[in-house]
Amino acid sequence: EPEVTQTPSHQVTQMGQEVILRCVPISNHLYFYWYRQILGQKVEFLVSFYNNEISEKSEIFDDQFSVERPDGSNFTLKIRSTKLEDSAMYFCASSEPQGWYSNQPQHFGDGTRLSIL
Amino acid sequence: KQEVTQIPAALSVPEGENLVLNCSFTDSAIYNLQWFRQDPGKGLTSLLLIQSSQREQTSGRLNASLDKSSGRSTLYIAASQPGDSATYLCAVRPVTSGSRLTFGEGTQLTVNP
Repeated sequence: EPEVTQTPSHQVTQMGQEVILRCVPISNHLYFYWYRQILGQKVEFLVSFYNNEISEKSEIFDDQFSVERPDGSNFTLKIRSTKLEDSAMYFCASSEPQGWYSNQPQHFGDGTRLSIL
Repeated sequence: KQEVTQIPAALSVPEGENLVLNCSFTDSAIYNLQWFRQDPGKGLTSLLLIQSSQREQTSGRLNASLDKSSGRSTLYIAASQPGDSATYLCAVRPVTSGSRLTFGEGTQLTVNP
């Protein structure tokens, strides 16, 4: 069964450094998402991406975050200047087109555990 | 703002028992509700998706119901097995929030052999 793959599985970074998390969504999917889960807390939405642009973002997704689809297969999340509170599990997800008429499940990867020191 | 709550936070049952996990949400204006399974240190595996117009969905030993008007969903697991041990999350896709999912905090299930 096709799956979403994320790399690396664990990333350790010094505070203030830039980090890029990588994802390969399911190949025929057109919607891409990033969520995060701080240890012991709920999974939180960060951003959705469709047709090479952000379609929706949460209040968490401020100017230090950016997303990109650099080629036909990868989807990346960049955190420009990491803070201690950015430590979390970051999940990438993808789905077939969503709309008021379309209810397709979102499929998640195994996540990247980001640890900021 | 949509809030999703799951009760109980943790549940421990003997193998073979039938069990029910509960999910409630504050705003009934949703497109769908999705149940996930999360194993420790792993990602989220989609189990079932119920559209807002549906009352229930079944997959194997799993049955999910949706009562949109009362803001409730249940996940019924029949004949539980130790391999069912995991955290179960429900998430709703609110009408007012595009394609984002809003998650509950999960129910941690342990099935004892």
